[in-house]
Amino acid sequence: GAVVSQHPSRVICKSGTSVKIECRSLDFQATTMFWYRQFPKKSLMLMATSNEGSKATYEQGVEKDKFLINHASLTLSTLTVTSAHPEDSSFYICSARGQVQSGQYFGPGTRLTVT
Amino acid sequence: TQLLEQSPQFLSIQEGENLTVYCNSSSVFSSLQWYRQEPGEGPVLLVTVVTGGEVKKLKRLTFQFGDARKDSSLHITAAQPGDTGLYLCATSGAAGNKLTFGGGTRVLVKP
Repeated sequence: GAVVSQHPSRVICKSGTSVKIECRSLDFQATTMFWYRQFPKKSLMLMATSNEGSKATYEQGVEKDKFLINHASLTLSTLTVTSAHPEDSSFYICSARGQVQSGQYFGPGTRLTVT
Repeated sequence: TQLLEQSPQFLSIQEGENLTVYCNSSSVFSSLQWYRQEPGEGPVLLVTVVTGGEVKKLKRLTFQFGDARKDSSLHITAAQPGDTGLYLCATSGAAGNKLTFGGGTRVLVKP
């Protein structure tokens, strides 16, 4: 149990376009979802925390107008990278936690490349 | 935000050797989690330690939580190439909400 999926697993987009990444909890209701960014050979950096039905809480230094997060249902959160630039290229990982689960369960990540 | 320091940053060993990874903080951990992450995938939870002095074993992996709950270690016995990956410690802090990760230790086990 406690499976989290992400879609797409890889995406390449052109500079200036927007990209949406989906994070789904497949077998539990995720009251809270987290979005992380990871640079090559580095650890995970929390970008934002989203609770179902409310606005996301962004970490310091993360532009909320650039990284739009929507957590419209208990099984789906989306991260939209708006007007993407090459420096936004990274590995984006989501995690989810439900009312029953004591820990966070991570998705497989999405590799974004902006050309 | 609680800062976690992991050491070493990188470890390269031969198959069959032992290795230890450390995770330290200047603050007390409410609980600590260890994850392993393989390239291109998300982290996978290995263990959660909560009680000071606690020792947990997962096959060839031994996790220790310091008595003062400010440090933890992960020891791998007779490492195999399949143990290669990024090992991360993380804590959720007193609020129990968001996770803070250590910088990670990259482990490479050569056949």
